[in-house]
Amino acid sequence: SQELEQSPQSLIVQEGKNLTINCTSSKTLYGLYWYKQKYGEGLIFLMMLQKGGEEKSHEKITAKLDEKKQQSSLHITASQPSHAGIYLCGADRSNYQLIWGAGTKLIIKP
Amino acid sequence: DAMVIQNPRYQVTQFGKPVTLSCSQTLNHNVMYWYQQKSSQAPKLLFHYYDKDFNNEADTPDNFQSRRPNTSFCFLDIRSPGLGDAAMYLCATSEGQGGDEQYFGPGTRLTVT
Repeated sequence: SQELEQSPQSLIVQEGKNLTINCTSSKTLYGLYWYKQKYGEGLIFLMMLQKGGEEKSHEKITAKLDEKKQQSSLHITASQPSHAGIYLCGADRSNYQLIWGAGTKLIIKP
Repeated sequence: DAMVIQNPRYQVTQFGKPVTLSCSQTLNHNVMYWYQQKSSQAPKLLFHYYDKDFNNEADTPDNFQSRRPNTSFCFLDIRSPGLGDAAMYLCATSEGQGGDEQYFGPGTRLTVT
């Protein structure tokens, strides 16, 4: 199994609805990153969480880090077509390498 | 605008024919990374440079090599591409190694025929 598990693997949401994507680590999280990837393109940085209980927001996207649960969630409020894409979580390891989840594919239905 | 540029965006090569992918950055970052990403999978780190120091991942095949002639450029050389090497190759940069955001290029999609 992967060190970083993302759920769900894919998600189809009606435009305007809220959604949550989860990222769970099998090891202690030192830092957790959320990136977005459009099909066939590179990754775009969304936000980074470093402290337990930390919560960050950017426009309609909010990410939280639950250190005890070794989990992070990404919540999108009032989804729009521009939110469609693949969301990946990445985690710092003690050797300063980033490892990645397999991604959650988000489709927004008009 | 400062950015990470990858060329070409699409590359087709024949089985066994050497191929080179290039990455350049205008961010003046110390660290440059090469990732391999196969369909519906997480990016897999192949290697990274911290300045001129090369760091190879233990499970990166010998078939993959890299060069960083200067701060701005980094190359990925695949000496003898196999069908299993068909993937998206992503280049990324960061200012430092620990806790720094990585900036990604658009990727090069490699097809092996």
